[in-house]
Amino acid sequence: IAGITQAPTSQILAAGRRMTLRCTQDMRHNAMYWYRQDLGLGLRLIHYSNTAGTTGKGEVPDGYSVSRANTDDFPLTLASAVPSQTSVYFCASSGTGSEDTGELFFGEGSRLTVL
Amino acid sequence: GQNIDQPTEMTATEGAIVQINCTYQTSGFNGLFWYQQHAGEAPTFLSYNVLDGLEEKGRFSSFLSRSKGYSYLLLKELQMKDSASYLCAVLNSNYQLIWGAGTKLIIKP
Repeated sequence: IAGITQAPTSQILAAGRRMTLRCTQDMRHNAMYWYRQDLGLGLRLIHYSNTAGTTGKGEVPDGYSVSRANTDDFPLTLASAVPSQTSVYFCASSGTGSEDTGELFFGEGSRLTVL
Repeated sequence: GQNIDQPTEMTATEGAIVQINCTYQTSGFNGLFWYQQHAGEAPTFLSYNVLDGLEEKGRFSSFLSRSKGYSYLLLKELQMKDSASYLCAVLNSNYQLIWGAGTKLIIKP
């Protein structure tokens, strides 16, 4: 089944540890995104990539980094986790063709707890 | 600043109709999206409006008025499975998606 796969589904992490959340899509979408979702707040964009080889900063990029070596993969790394990074993280992708509306396709989410 | 406003929570009865409103103030406009998100799950696409008027898709309809910065999502013949959060998002002139905090819809028998 085509879609986006995230791993891990959930993780408990000690503060100061490094963590990489993985995201893979098989829809050949050019654009990919990382969001965090916290109770009472809208989805907040962390980083995005419009095409393989390029990345950009979103609304809340501090403490996070991304890479886009190819079309399918878009990992998110927390270099040194802090408790405020406790959240649910969603990876998403969208097509950028002339007939695409910009609809986002989301992964199932990664629930991260930093202690 | 840019912001999207929608009610935090709404309650409705199974079989009834409910309207979820969304007002927005953004730098430019390139479309408005509605997503559904069940608890513990990922958001899924419901509708997209870029022109004024009503878009109907089965039990769900979405309305847009660009001059008023206003949209609503109309859900008819409510079912228990419609209990979820409904997220409004606007694509601004820089093609950035601005998200509302979501409306939690509770359906009672």
